[in-house]
Amino acid sequence: QSVLTQPPSVSGAPGQRVTISCTGSSSNIGAGYDVHWYQQLPRTAPKLLIYGNNNRPSGVPDRFSGSKSGTSASLAITGLQAEDEADYYCQSYDSSLSGWVFGGGTKLTVL
Amino acid sequence: EVQLVQSGAEVKKPGESLKISCKGSGYSFTSYWIAWVRQMPGKGLEWMGIIYPGDSDTRYSPSFQGQVTISADKSISTAYLQWSSLKASDTAMYYCARLIHSSGMRWFDPWGQGTLVTVSS
Repeated sequence: QSVLTQPPSVSGAPGQRVTISCTGSSSNIGAGYDVHWYQQLPRTAPKLLIYGNNNRPSGVPDRFSGSKSGTSASLAITGLQAEDEADYYCQSYDSSLSGWVFGGGTKLTVL
Repeated sequence: EVQLVQSGAEVKKPGESLKISCKGSGYSFTSYWIAWVRQMPGKGLEWMGIIYPGDSDTRYSPSFQGQVTISADKSISTAYLQWSSLKASDTAMYYCARLIHSSGMRWFDPWGQGTLVTVSS
């Protein structure tokens, strides 16, 4: 069981908007630690998608955005494209564990 | 270009030892922490531990403490993950990733391509 909780799966049609939630606790997200998101395309390594809650690295389309509030964070993807079909993971730091924690991952299916 | 290149896939028997590697290039290897992350078949990402190659300061996740050893050789810009006695449950993909620490935020970028470890009798 992961420290950060994500829905196992989400889906949407091309062009639609989807969101993926990431729920933590008072020792990680709620303690003020930032949330970062990674995209893992099939059979590839994870790739940084969003850092510092809502910052996009160079090369990441502005269709991807992040937000954080309280003990939760969200990743939003607008204008869904077939190439967005992947697993998405949130990540933060946990003071109780003195280490980095990930969500269980969310599989995005583009219908 | 900043890159982490990992060693190739391994097939081992239970009880055998193993050391896999992660070579950094395109940046100052001794100035950034390197983490190891496990991904079991069909499962999510798990942080195992992290090392600072500059002085070999190492931290482990409680779940992996005593199960693996993380080390680094800064002279060849390479970090290592090793097991003294593998179990079938160690079968997984293992990733290394560089920790970026900026303005109080800490995230992983880039990631290595992964090393698949298969343990089977």
